[in-house]
Amino acid sequence: NFMLTQPHSVSESPGKTITISCTRTSGSIANHYVQWYQQRPGSAPTTVIYEDNVRPSGVPDRFSGSIDVSSNSASLTISGLKTEDGADYYCQSYDGHTVVFGGGTKLTVL
Amino acid sequence: EVQLVQSGAEVKKPGESLKISCKGSGYSFTSHWIGWVRQMPGKGLEWMGIIYPGDSDTRYSPSFQGQVTISADKSVNTAYLQWSSLKASDSAIYYCARAAPGSHESFDFWGPGTMVIVSS
Repeated sequence: NFMLTQPHSVSESPGKTITISCTRTSGSIANHYVQWYQQRPGSAPTTVIYEDNVRPSGVPDRFSGSIDVSSNSASLTISGLKTEDGADYYCQSYDGHTVVFGGGTKLTVL
Repeated sequence: EVQLVQSGAEVKKPGESLKISCKGSGYSFTSHWIGWVRQMPGKGLEWMGIIYPGDSDTRYSPSFQGQVTISADKSVNTAYLQWSSLKASDSAIYYCARAAPGSHESFDFWGPGTMVIVSS
């Protein structure tokens, strides 16, 4: 099985842009889609990006996803940060048999 | 509007059985995989397994195979997660999530979660 490695925490100021990385430890990042989920404290996860770079209806275009084959990683970029973006973010992917979540990244906007 | 409505919180004793539910509405329930995800207190998300309600094709995470049973009743648009003998370590929040069209691993909608507390 593979793992998805995320930074434990990141922080940035309101209005700035931040990128959260998700590195796949084995197998190509391009072989299976990457999803990103936001989880605010005390709430269920919500999907902010699925299938690498697709935003569900209602998710602002400040959120974008990408993959980088050279580093075997995916990234979630949030521009124009708002305090409400402060949450845990999880990446997730697949290897043909098993769904794997990253350990999560706590984003602090202050 | 897509909705996943999960059953309410449960408090059980070790050794008891439990079945929690996830009812889908606002879409074709039989055409999307439904997954179950565990979140233990203060921890991250763990994939437990998925089911295709159209034909009940089910896949389990190796970590949960044999520990839980995933099922679905398409006549009532509901998926289930059940335990035959709960342990204290099963205390967690359990989320169901709908997979995106044509996918069984890209979740696009999530339920609110069911909290399960197992304590003597």
